[in-house]
Amino acid sequence: AQSVTQLDSQVPVFEEAPVELRCNYSSSVSVYLFWYVQYPNQGLQLLLKYLSGSTLVKGINGFEAEFNKSQTSFHLRKPSVHISDTAEYFCAVSPNTNAGKSTFGDGTTLTVKP
Amino acid sequence: ETGVTQTPRHLVMGMTNKKSLKCEQHLGHNAMYWYKQSAKKPLELMFVYNFKEQTENNSVPSRFSPECPNSSHLFLHLHTLQPEDSALYLCASRQSRLAGNEQFFGPGTRLTVL
Repeated sequence: AQSVTQLDSQVPVFEEAPVELRCNYSSSVSVYLFWYVQYPNQGLQLLLKYLSGSTLVKGINGFEAEFNKSQTSFHLRKPSVHISDTAEYFCAVSPNTNAGKSTFGDGTTLTVKP
Repeated sequence: ETGVTQTPRHLVMGMTNKKSLKCEQHLGHNAMYWYKQSAKKPLELMFVYNFKEQTENNSVPSRFSPECPNSSHLFLHLHTLQPEDSALYLCASRQSRLAGNEQFFGPGTRLTVL
């Protein structure tokens, strides 16, 4: 079994500031890692994913994440946020033996203030 | 229509009503999912279907009855619900033939049980 912990439930930040949303996971097998974003009144959409290879993954809207196996972390970063980045962000992990069964974190609400 | 669609987007029902939620994916995927998203709670996986066969039932009460007539359509039949069943119900689909593929989510049905 695997679990996901998103360390911050809410992250307020000013526009154009950098942001980091933290995600730790635990699993007894190798995993795939995902970050999804959910805008108000919408479903989740994929920001980026790590399957293998380079530990730095770039996604849409200027986001990137770094896989750290020793620390079992997959933190999401953006160097300069916009008002439109205000949303809920979910980290998810899937075992590579059953990639269809994802476990989601509780979510982090990112609020970008002008 | 593209992606994953869900109807209706909003539903209000009494505890004695019977209603159905519909999900349709236009992506050629072979796996479909139902999730429940409640306020201040993590995303809860309810059911998974692969090639129309149910492969996961996450101890969901029998008042929720899923149906998957083909790989493109997924229904959630509701009867004698409780007020605590009020939530956003999300449908997702995925191409399970390739490991590491992400899920694609619909916009959800906001259900209110009176």
